[in-house]
Amino acid sequence: AQTVTQSQPEMSVQEAETVTLSCTYDTSESDYYLFWYKQPPSRQMILVIRQEAYKQQNATENRFSVNFQKAAKSFSLKISDSQLGDAAMYFCAYRRGNFNKFYFGSGTKLNVKP
Amino acid sequence: EPEVTQTPSHQVTQMGQEVILRCVPISNHLYFYWYRQILGQKVEFLVSFYNNEISEKSEIFDDQFSVERPDGSNFTLKIRSTKLEDSAMYFCASSGLLAEAYEQYFGPGTRLTVT
Repeated sequence: AQTVTQSQPEMSVQEAETVTLSCTYDTSESDYYLFWYKQPPSRQMILVIRQEAYKQQNATENRFSVNFQKAAKSFSLKISDSQLGDAAMYFCAYRRGNFNKFYFGSGTKLNVKP
Repeated sequence: EPEVTQTPSHQVTQMGQEVILRCVPISNHLYFYWYRQILGQKVEFLVSFYNNEISEKSEIFDDQFSVERPDGSNFTLKIRSTKLEDSAMYFCASSGLLAEAYEQYFGPGTRLTVT
């Protein structure tokens, strides 16, 4: 069974500093996709970044990057130069190959201090 | 940028009543989904819908639940006889063609409170 674990329920970071959110997953599949979604308060989840399992290179989107360790089944999100607008709930998600169902972690609430 | 919308934002209902949660997916998307999040728990998959039929459903999605695309724009989730444990945030999502469906676009959610 696929499971996604986020072990940090809440984290804080100072504005302009860097923070890393952790995610581990369990799967026996070789074809899958991993995602980080951001959910600001009272807003919908929006995609931050995605990683295809077959790609060795870590995905990067501006200030957001991932550290994808396939053997360790780890998928952490690094936010550089944190901004106040980064404060949100962050969800790690897994999707198997050609299937549509997403498995979510329990989320990490990120606070950004001015 | 197109968004998934959901109505109502908050629904309060009595146990045993029927509720319909409504969603308007992004217009050119072909796959539609419902997820739910009970307070303090993970977001859980309920059902996916493609080509006017259910393509996958979870064990949560029992006979009390149904989905429908009544017209070209709406996608609904019906709970026939609500229970206290149905209280949760319900998220609708949509995505494009499977080969490109890397991501799902989520709505803001409907908070369902069953009393």
